[in-house]
Amino acid sequence: EVQVVESGGDLVQPGGSLRLSCAASGFTFSSYWMGWVRQAPGKGLEWVATMKEGGSDKYYVDFVKGRFIIFSDNAKNSVYLQMNNLRVEDTAVYYCARAEAGAYDIWGQGTMVTVSS
Amino acid sequence: DIVMTQSPLSLPVTPGEPASISCRSSQSLLNANGNNYFGWYLQKPGQSPQLLIYFGSIRASGVPDRFSGSGSGTDFTLKISRVEAEDVGVYYCMNGLQVPITFGQGTRLDIK
Repeated sequence: EVQVVESGGDLVQPGGSLRLSCAASGFTFSSYWMGWVRQAPGKGLEWVATMKEGGSDKYYVDFVKGRFIIFSDNAKNSVYLQMNNLRVEDTAVYYCARAEAGAYDIWGQGTMVTVSS
Repeated sequence: DIVMTQSPLSLPVTPGEPASISCRSSQSLLNANGNNYFGWYLQKPGQSPQLLIYFGSIRASGVPDRFSGSGSGTDFTLKISRVEAEDVGVYYCMNGLQVPITFGQGTRLDIK
């Protein structure tokens, strides 16, 4: 079965760090772009970051540049989102998704990140 | 940044009746390869988003044929020929052409 499964969400204080993981299975992970999309409570979808297969190109939304890093480990079929200097407004469900044909075709169940003191 | 504007934002529909959602992008989503890098997604209550339509008009795997997408450039439409109870949720359009990738505000479809 083609799927991605996120983990790593937690409650963290403002200014803290967290690393999200996304494990892929059922497809050749190294051949796909991967991305992260978040959804604040009661709000819409917001793109966070995306990475080209092989990791040569990485793109971020402006408000996470310099704080978040997307990277992958092909040996583990996984993509990660390292989040530093977290803010209250980063509170959201974070989804990992596979990119294909200009769309996100496979989504995980999401992992909740809560930033609060 | 490309701004995606959906309408309507709320859509009550009687089961068996058709429904239509529009999305307009502030810039053309037509790539040099002739494809519109535009997609429709449905987020059912309590679930993750799922891809319905990509390249503006191609149904994703497993999507019922009552869903259809049309449009090109900056104006796109999602049509449901006969709404079923399982179609309730929030529908989003997405710019997949250039970063930052952007989504529409979402259209909430409810059953009357």
